Amino acid sequence: NAGVTQTPKFQVLKTGQSMTLQCAQDMNHNSMYWYRQDPGMGLRLIYYSASEGTTDKGEVPNGYNVSRLNKREFSLRLESAAPSQTSVYFCASIWNSGNTIYFGEGSWLTVV
Amino acid sequence: TQLLEQSPQFLSIQEGENLTVYCNSSSVFSSLQWYRQEPGEGPVLLVTVVTGGEVKKLKRLTFQFGDARKDSSLHITAAQPGDTGLYLCAGATSGGYQKVTFGTGTKLQVIP
Repeated sequence: NAGVTQTPKFQVLKTGQSMTLQCAQDMNHNSMYWYRQDPGMGLRLIYYSASEGTTDKGEVPNGYNVSRLNKREFSLRLESAAPSQTSVYFCASIWNSGNTIYFGEGSWLTVV
Repeated sequence: TQLLEQSPQFLSIQEGENLTVYCNSSSVFSSLQWYRQEPGEGPVLLVTVVTGGEVKKLKRLTFQFGDARKDSSLHITAAQPGDTGLYLCAGATSGGYQKVTFGTGTKLQVIP
């Protein structure tokens, strides 16, 4: 099983550029999440989607947009990247009635 | 906003010592997970606890969920260098969807 797949793994952007991080899960999970993790810190929730067609803001949504394209895919878009968005981004998914979060392998983003 | 605070934030101990990491919140969670994360990788699930007062053991690791389901602890007996990593707790709430909140993280270094 692929689980949760994120792309790209690494990306360097210039300030002001835009990009989209892609995430897909093949476990038929309802809920999907985007987190960011800064050095030595825990994960902070950017956006989440409880089901296809719904999205909600998390702790740190500013500067990001998301799309729950279908049940499998949840993308994160940076419209105008800023150095403060340099971070590691993790996509995750979970069943509504489940207790275990499954993480992707992470996307390392650097904004210069 | 539901907050999960972990303590200590950093811990450096000698091989063979015991340690306890705490995860505290003012909110009630339906379940709580503990993860370990190594540099350059995503978090890996160690355990999920769902019942107040529950104790789970995983080899030298003992996890406890508080009676009121607001706090948890991770105890490591006879720590080994392979235990080195970032330990994260994460609480999940029920109610139509799963919103998961991560703790601030505890960085553990076990010195040989």
